[in-house]
Amino acid sequence: KNEVEQSPQNLTAQEGEFITINCSYSVGISALHWLQQHPGGGIVSLFMLSSGKKKHGRLIATINIQEKHSSLHITASHPRDSAVYICAVRYRSYGGSQGNLIFGKGTKLSVKP
Amino acid sequence: DTAVSQTPKYLVTQMGNDKSIKCEQNLGHDTMYWYKQDSKKFLKIMFSYNNKELIINETVPNRFSPKSPDKAHLNLHINSLELGDSAVYFCASSQSLRGQTHSGANVLTFGAGSRLTVL
Repeated sequence: KNEVEQSPQNLTAQEGEFITINCSYSVGISALHWLQQHPGGGIVSLFMLSSGKKKHGRLIATINIQEKHSSLHITASHPRDSAVYICAVRYRSYGGSQGNLIFGKGTKLSVKP
Repeated sequence: DTAVSQTPKYLVTQMGNDKSIKCEQNLGHDTMYWYKQDSKKFLKIMFSYNNKELIINETVPNRFSPKSPDKAHLNLHINSLELGDSAVYFCASSQSLRGQTHSGANVLTFGAGSRLTVL
């Protein structure tokens, strides 16, 4: 069982719709990342958060540490938002070294004009 | 001006060959990573280096040997290539929390990926 679960796997929306992508994880983490992979393959880091909420333009990421859950929201979606959105968590590590990132399987978003 | 650059972008080779993928970052980060993205688009960590020192080595065949000559470079050498090695390999870098000087610490910056096809 993958330790990071994303939902939905696929999402089709009309331009202008409000989008929510969810990510759940299983144990304590030190950080959670949201990544965007463009149709061309390039990966961009959107957010890194360990608590609360972050906003950048039309993108909002929230995390609830108690519920082990994070959401990525896109307001006023646009066809150029079409991409795969990947959640990744860094579990708390031991011995002082950095924990490695565990990735979700991604959510493929298509926004239709 | 690319922050994390990988070469080559595409690599097609025969089974049994040895090949290398190079990665360089000009962000001043102290940690670099290699990730493998399989045909199902699932990303998985392979290696992580912090200040030229190996800190993560996931269950990767020892045909894969990372080399970090300095903290700006992390190269991946693969011996005796197999069909199952076909994938996109992403290099990334970040600044570790220990070296944190700004709120962007530990944010990953990815290279464009290197698509390896083994025939």
